[in-house]
Amino acid sequence: QKEVEQNSGPLSVPEGAIASLNCTYSDRGSQSFFWYRQYSGKSPELIMFIYSNGDKEDGRFTAQLNKASQYVSLLIRDSQPSDSATYLCAVRGYSSASKIIFGSGTRLSIRP
Amino acid sequence: DTAVSQTPKYLVTQMGNDKSIKCEQNLGHDTMYWYKQDSKKFLKIMFSYNNKELIINETVPNRFSPKSPDKAHLNLHINSLELGDSAVYFCASSQRQGEDTQYFGPGTRLTVL
Repeated sequence: QKEVEQNSGPLSVPEGAIASLNCTYSDRGSQSFFWYRQYSGKSPELIMFIYSNGDKEDGRFTAQLNKASQYVSLLIRDSQPSDSATYLCAVRGYSSASKIIFGSGTRLSIRP
Repeated sequence: DTAVSQTPKYLVTQMGNDKSIKCEQNLGHDTMYWYKQDSKKFLKIMFSYNNKELIINETVPNRFSPKSPDKAHLNLHINSLELGDSAVYFCASSQRQGEDTQYFGPGTRLTVL
């Protein structure tokens, strides 16, 4: 079982709709959860992090965490063509020195 | 103005050669990382240094040797390059060890022929 799993996509969403990206993780002791956006040929860019169960909103982005289900999601409201990218879910374990484990990413395509 | 820079951006070389990738950060951060991203976009940590000391060393062939001359620089030397080493290598930095926000460099695309 992979430590961080994501559906590779591509996920195609019409412009203006809500894009929903999902991620599961295997380490129950994980404490920090991240969503990175990576445009083709570019480096990953941190867009959200979440530590506690529930929702965290930042503009059009909402991260959701359910530690009991070991599940993290990212919602993008009012999707724009500029949101088309690969979204990487990442998780850090219990120790602050522990490494961040990345999923293989979900490719999101927003169609006009 | 570039926060985390890497050179070269592209590297094409023959199997068996030795090559180096350089990374510099001007953010004053204590911790630096090397990641490898394969063709399937899987991003995996290789090494992490905190104040020039190695703190994470994943199961990486010992052909890969990082070197941190000071806390602003983390270089990666690869000996006897193999086809499977072809990937994009990203350097990153964070304020301190365990800090969750990491800043990535632009990446170095290594192609081994």
